[in-house]
Amino acid sequence: GAGVSQSPRYKVAKRGQDVALRCDPISGHVSLFWYQQALGQGPEFLTYFQNEAQLDKSGLPSDRFFAERPEGSVSTLKIQRTQQEDSAVYLCASSLAGTGLSYGYTFGSGTRLTVV
Amino acid sequence: KQEVTQIPAALSVPEGENLVLNCSFTDSAIYNLQWFRQDPGKGLTSLLLIQSSQREQTSGRLNASLDKSSGRSTLYIAASQPGDSATYLCAVTNQAGTALIFGKGTTLSVSS
Repeated sequence: GAGVSQSPRYKVAKRGQDVALRCDPISGHVSLFWYQQALGQGPEFLTYFQNEAQLDKSGLPSDRFFAERPEGSVSTLKIQRTQQEDSAVYLCASSLAGTGLSYGYTFGSGTRLTVV
Repeated sequence: KQEVTQIPAALSVPEGENLVLNCSFTDSAIYNLQWFRQDPGKGLTSLLLIQSSQREQTSGRLNASLDKSSGRSTLYIAASQPGDSATYLCAVTNQAGTALIFGKGTTLSVSS
């Protein structure tokens, strides 16, 4: 596609509910990243994929967070047993190269998750 | 641990003014630095990417400079317009080159 597409745009979840957030990167982009942006803050790194391999998951805040990219294109970020502190905008980005070093990153519009 | 700081946190200017946004980072061992724009409720739009070997990049009314040794970057916006109103985020790559580390942003408001 022309850009990075994320769905849903908005998600309201009851505390304790599981949620799944989807990211469609730009076709042919090797790298895919997930970020979490709390209100009034800059985005914070969650995890990084190169093709289907998850090379860095150091930013995932707890074992309730899980990400996958099984075929090296679409990625899903899953949050189990959601808690109120999970409320944030979840941003996905992709990059043409193995990392974003040379070509930079293209971000999606994000999914705003609200846990009530 | 790399930390990115942006000053000021918010800025209000009248239309037509030239302005400078500041970004500083604690670890000079970066691969590149990128400036983004974020509109309310939207994702990030890349404005300028400066490789570590470069000192500046220009795009239209925007000019970004990088002084790696002092850990500083500035984003210069010439002849500001109301449409420039947004939050501007500065980000550097981590040492592995696999992720961006962001500042908290500068929220710019340009009045007509």
